Amino acid sequence: SAVISQKPSRDICQRGTSLTIQCQVDSQVTMMFWYRQQPGQSLTLIATANQGSEATYESGFVIDKFPISRPNLTFSTLTVSNMSPEDSSIYLCSVVPPGSTDTQYFGPGTRLTVL
Amino acid sequence: AQSVSQHNHHVILSEAASLELGCNYSYGGTVNLFWYVQYPGQHLQLLLKYFSGDPLVKGIKGFEAEFIKSKFSFNLRKPSVQWSDTAEYFCAVNANTGFQKLVFGTGTRLLVSP
Repeated sequence: SAVISQKPSRDICQRGTSLTIQCQVDSQVTMMFWYRQQPGQSLTLIATANQGSEATYESGFVIDKFPISRPNLTFSTLTVSNMSPEDSSIYLCSVVPPGSTDTQYFGPGTRLTVL
Repeated sequence: AQSVSQHNHHVILSEAASLELGCNYSYGGTVNLFWYVQYPGQHLQLLLKYFSGDPLVKGIKGFEAEFIKSKFSFNLRKPSVQWSDTAEYFCAVNANTGFQKLVFGTGTRLLVSP
């Protein structure tokens, strides 16, 4: 597996502002993933972040709203831009550690509340 | 598009009762199947997974799941639950195409009463 940390663990933000969430892994990984878990719902993939290339976004998610950076093999950020109350969710990053063969391991999540 | 259905949203059991949580998926090709668990206040953890081979897979904490290809199912079972099994359980699927996108079910909240 891997040790994955996320910052912040939770935040309360005002409508119209932006929040950047960090994901740090203790090993070098090729792909990192960002998911959203809206209240009472399941996890939905936002995008896949590969180091050195543009993130690949899923249907319904766009780069202007959720810009992602992946500056190296152990770190990624997800920004939630121009937030509205509908963005209140838990945001999680996940990775496939070396040798884990298609098995994703998840970070602790960032609980975001937008007022 | 892939989808995953978990039939039970909330399950309440007494300790020592047997557990079976249903999971069905829709995808015509080869899939990898997972059960994740989220204990209260903790992050999502892998419970077990199936890629190929023996369709009955065993995971941590006495859980097992059976892949039935003809039914597109991957049900989770435990013969005797404990209070500490109280958690939310998620079934997830990815198409075995190398893209590693996970599609999750809606989750089942299990409450085990002592």
